[in-house]
Amino acid sequence: DVKVTQSSRYLVKRTGEKVFLECVQDMDHENMFWYRQDPGLGLRLIYFSYDVKMKEKGDIPEGYSVSREKKERFSLILESASTNQTSMYLCASLDRGLGNYGYTFGSGTRLTVV
Amino acid sequence: KNEVEQSPQNLTAQEGEFITINCSYSVGISALHWLQQHPGGGIVSLFMLSSGKKKHGRLIATINIQEKHSSLHITASHPRDSAVYICAVQTSGSRLTFGEGTQLTVNP
Repeated sequence: DVKVTQSSRYLVKRTGEKVFLECVQDMDHENMFWYRQDPGLGLRLIYFSYDVKMKEKGDIPEGYSVSREKKERFSLILESASTNQTSMYLCASLDRGLGNYGYTFGSGTRLTVV
Repeated sequence: KNEVEQSPQNLTAQEGEFITINCSYSVGISALHWLQQHPGGGIVSLFMLSSGKKKHGRLIATINIQEKHSSLHITASHPRDSAVYICAVQTSGSRLTFGEGTQLTVNP
């Protein structure tokens, strides 16, 4: 089974800190995504990457950056954490071979910025 | 109006009941996904559809491309089916646009 692993389930950070959220997948998928999920707003795309060192902005990239130095790892960076970035963050990768399922999601990181 | 609308937002059923969750969308799509999210946050992909119908165990997903509508059915529902079910459409490239989800509670 494809696995998408997010490094932390829960994180508490202080306002102004630089925060790194790590995501690793083990099936050689080209496409990887970072979403945030908030009550009443659903899942929204922050950034995605379709290859190593390639990235594209999603719908809400402000305050975030990403890094994809290796195919299996896609990092989300909060340059200077703010309280409005308190959220659930979900990483996903896409199987372009398109079996029955396509996307595989990580377990999520619940980030609290205080 | 959201591009992806789900109904109902909340659904409570008794164990054993047949359940239907609906999804309507307003944009051209390459595929539609049904996802399941349990408390604690992890999301599991249930189905990816571009036409017709798919079945996996007690779950059935259908899509009508002309009507821009999909349904997720659960037969013989069980308390362990309690979760949030999310419809998402794949539009340009590999991006997904999500519905707000349907909270399903199945009581024993």
